[in-house]
Amino acid sequence: GDSVTQMEGPVTLSEEAFLTINCTYTATGYPSLFWYVQYPGEGLQLLLKATKADDKGSNKGFEATYRKETTSFHLEKGSVQVSDSAVYFCALSSMIKAAGNKLTFGGGTRVLVKP
Amino acid sequence: EAGVTQFPSHSVIEKGQTVTLRCDPISGHDNLYWYRRVMGKEIKFLLHFVKESKQDESGMPNNRFLAERTGGTYSTLKVQPAELEDSGVYFCASSQVGRADTQYFGPGTRLTVL
Repeated sequence: GDSVTQMEGPVTLSEEAFLTINCTYTATGYPSLFWYVQYPGEGLQLLLKATKADDKGSNKGFEATYRKETTSFHLEKGSVQVSDSAVYFCALSSMIKAAGNKLTFGGGTRVLVKP
Repeated sequence: EAGVTQFPSHSVIEKGQTVTLRCDPISGHDNLYWYRRVMGKEIKFLLHFVKESKQDESGMPNNRFLAERTGGTYSTLKVQPAELEDSGVYFCASSQVGRADTQYFGPGTRLTVL
């Protein structure tokens, strides 16, 4: 079945540091890939997505590129801020119609940015 | 436009009791999903409604869980009787037909079974 593996946290960084969160996946066919973020006390928010190979999703300074050859979708940000402290989830959605677009999530990575 | 709302935000119950969680999707969203995160593990899919019909309930853990979506609007998820391992955060998400790859999540209900 489908699965997503992402690096375990917590990841602790200083402000303005470079952030990378690794994410790899196993899926049938060509899934859509997502990064969701959960800020403290809030629900999940879609951060970015990519629907086909070599697509780059970007939002709020975060980027991730859909790499079919390495089955990866690593999240990066060049200069993090304290406000980026959150839990980040990598996820995929199978494009098989019978799957109904349900999301398969990784375990989440907690990121703490210190001033 | 209001987002996905869930009620209650937190519920603490004794083992063996019944709890009902509610989700109100974004207006006009026919797809409604339930997920849960148990013990800090992965967020796992529970089931998917299209309007009032259950499209996929392959993630429901056992028959102690019952989900309904009356009239294709809000949905409820009942756990009866609750067990200790049911503790976790239950998320609801909704999406439009034709844009099912973009799901909008509610804030979640934290369920604690003592």
